[in-house]
Amino acid sequence: DIPMTQSPSSLSASVGDSVTITCRASQSISNYLNWYQQKPGKAPKLLIYAASSLQSGVPSRFSGSGSGTDFTLTISSLQPEDFATYSCQQSYSVPYTFGQGTKLEIK
Amino acid sequence: QVQLQQSGPGLVQPSQTLSLTCAISGDSVSSNNAAWNWIRQSPSRGLEWLGRTYYRSNWYHDYAVSVKSRITINPDTSKNQFSLHLNSVTPDDTAVYYCARVVVYGSSNWFDPWGPGTLATVSS
Repeated sequence: DIPMTQSPSSLSASVGDSVTITCRASQSISNYLNWYQQKPGKAPKLLIYAASSLQSGVPSRFSGSGSGTDFTLTISSLQPEDFATYSCQQSYSVPYTFGQGTKLEIK
Repeated sequence: QVQLQQSGPGLVQPSQTLSLTCAISGDSVSSNNAAWNWIRQSPSRGLEWLGRTYYRSNWYHDYAVSVKSRITINPDTSKNQFSLHLNSVTPDDTAVYYCARVVVYGSSNWFDPWGPGTLATVSS
């Protein structure tokens, strides 16, 4: 298994702020890293795949970067609808594993 | 547009079998470019991948070690759906269960879409 570690576990920010969430893999996973957004009572939604590719329909204020073991998700100019929980997931090998999630809250 | 619709009971007795079905529209369970997965989420475990089934000239299955002795994921080509069967459940199996497609694009793959989720509670 490849454990995934996200930081921070929670984050407070204001509308208009820019935030960065970090995800670290226990071994190199190249760019096989995906990011999901989840709102209460809903299924996760794909935001970023292959570390930096924006899923169709996702606003351009979301961006991803990284390779190997260290990855980041950046949300620029936060909007009210962006307050949610964000999770990373490695698709390098089965079993697929997820980070523990970062809850983004309104300050 | 691919959509997944889940069905199955929300309450399961301890030691019994949890059975859920995921109906696929807009894609085929026999697709050579996809895999069909079950994932669960609980406060204690977070998001946990349970297993997958996929077709590449033959049917293949992979399961998480944590549930390998208790899980079966079956495709049903006649109904274009797949199912999860988890036997000998305990309260620790209480979670929201999601089905999800893995899209395979080149060497990359990701979960999209997800089913809406089913809260399965193990309790007498």
